[in-house]
Amino acid sequence: GENVEQHPSTLSVQEGDSAVIKCTYSDSASNYFPWYKQELGKRPQLIIDIRSNVGEKKDQRIAVTLNKTAKHFSLHITETQPEDSAVYFCAASLNAGNMLTFGGGTRLMVKP
Amino acid sequence: DADVTQTPRNRITKTGKRIMLECSQTKGHDRMYWYRQDPGLGLRLIYYSFDVKDINKGEISDGYSVSRQAQAKFSLSLESAIPNQTALYFCATSDPPLGGNEQFFGPGTRLTVL
Repeated sequence: GENVEQHPSTLSVQEGDSAVIKCTYSDSASNYFPWYKQELGKRPQLIIDIRSNVGEKKDQRIAVTLNKTAKHFSLHITETQPEDSAVYFCAASLNAGNMLTFGGGTRLMVKP
Repeated sequence: DADVTQTPRNRITKTGKRIMLECSQTKGHDRMYWYRQDPGLGLRLIYYSFDVKDINKGEISDGYSVSRQAQAKFSLSLESAIPNQTALYFCATSDPPLGGNEQFFGPGTRLTVL
């Protein structure tokens, strides 16, 4: 089955700096890669996703890049703000809408 | 607003007890999932159901069972709870393709097995 590894497990940045979280996946057939944000004590929520036919996707300050050959994808957050502090999870799926395999999560701390 | 709800929100129980966690949704979604969250291990899939008559094992189904009583309800049971089942449990729903690819999570149930 699919295996998703996520790094780093914790990341601390200064407000205004950029943050990058990286994930690798094992199943070359996976073609849908979402990112979820979980604030402290809250439920995970989708923030951005990408399909394997696209190399990059942006939404305001967040972007995701995908390298199918290397089987890795990354989340980029620019101009970080304290409200970006949360745990971020990457995931992979064989076809959007199917069950997800999640990475272990990254705790991002943005220092004011 | 349409939502996903879970009961109870917190539960403390003893080893060997039978426990049921319930999930209800008013989103009208066909697909429902149960995950457990442990520190450093992310969210791991326990069981999933794509419609009322469909039940599938996930990555870590041993020690758990589920029941899909209706489109809106998906229950998770621990027949004989053990301490390493102490975790945060999430229910989720999705409704591709018309409803998009997002999985919508419930608020979670924190289970402690002593």
